[in-house]
Amino acid sequence: DGGITQSPKYLFRKEGQNVTLSCEQNLNHDAMYWYRQDPGQGLRLIYYSQIVNDFQKGDIAEGYSVSREKKESFPLTVTSAQKNPTAFYLCASSLGRQGTGAFFGQGTRLTVV
Amino acid sequence: GENVEQHPSTLSVQEGDSAVIKCTYSDSASNYFPWYKQELGKRPQLIIDIRSNVGEKKDQRIAVTLNKTAKHFSLHITETQPEDSAVYFCAASGSNQFYFGTGTSLTVIP
Repeated sequence: DGGITQSPKYLFRKEGQNVTLSCEQNLNHDAMYWYRQDPGQGLRLIYYSQIVNDFQKGDIAEGYSVSREKKESFPLTVTSAQKNPTAFYLCASSLGRQGTGAFFGQGTRLTVV
Repeated sequence: GENVEQHPSTLSVQEGDSAVIKCTYSDSASNYFPWYKQELGKRPQLIIDIRSNVGEKKDQRIAVTLNKTAKHFSLHITETQPEDSAVYFCAASGSNQFYFGTGTSLTVIP
């Protein structure tokens, strides 16, 4: 359901490696977002994009990078500079107009081993 | 930027009782307030929302109220059922960003 797909569902990363999380949507949404969720905490914004080829840093962008080459896709790279990457990562999209909700993918659980 | 506070962090109610979760926001420019339900290990799902030109909205057993002057909004769940057990997040939006509260873990005791 939802039309927004994240892959993989589970991802294991060795220390020092970069990994890329995929997020694809077929909802024709203009805006896309990446959030990080840690146990017992809320959703913290990593990056967001309101239009193709443009994106902005959120509250915790350090150690992450994104691209928005296509409207449908907003991949997130967790770099080796991210000191504590183990978390649940959620991608979301919205129409980008005020007063419309965001819809989430099913999440990727990243674990550093 | 916007700051959203949510209370309580945990809430236990008996089945059939009501549950109320409250949020406050700081930015008067915020004009859209969605609520999400997240079951364990799953994605947050939009359950109800309210825009700033409306004071209250209902959908079956759930309702949301908004007080723009006081900058607070609340989620009300009546006749709670065990399947209502989940984490609930409030959010505020005014410029295509969504600012989330820290979540309320609701447990409905059968």
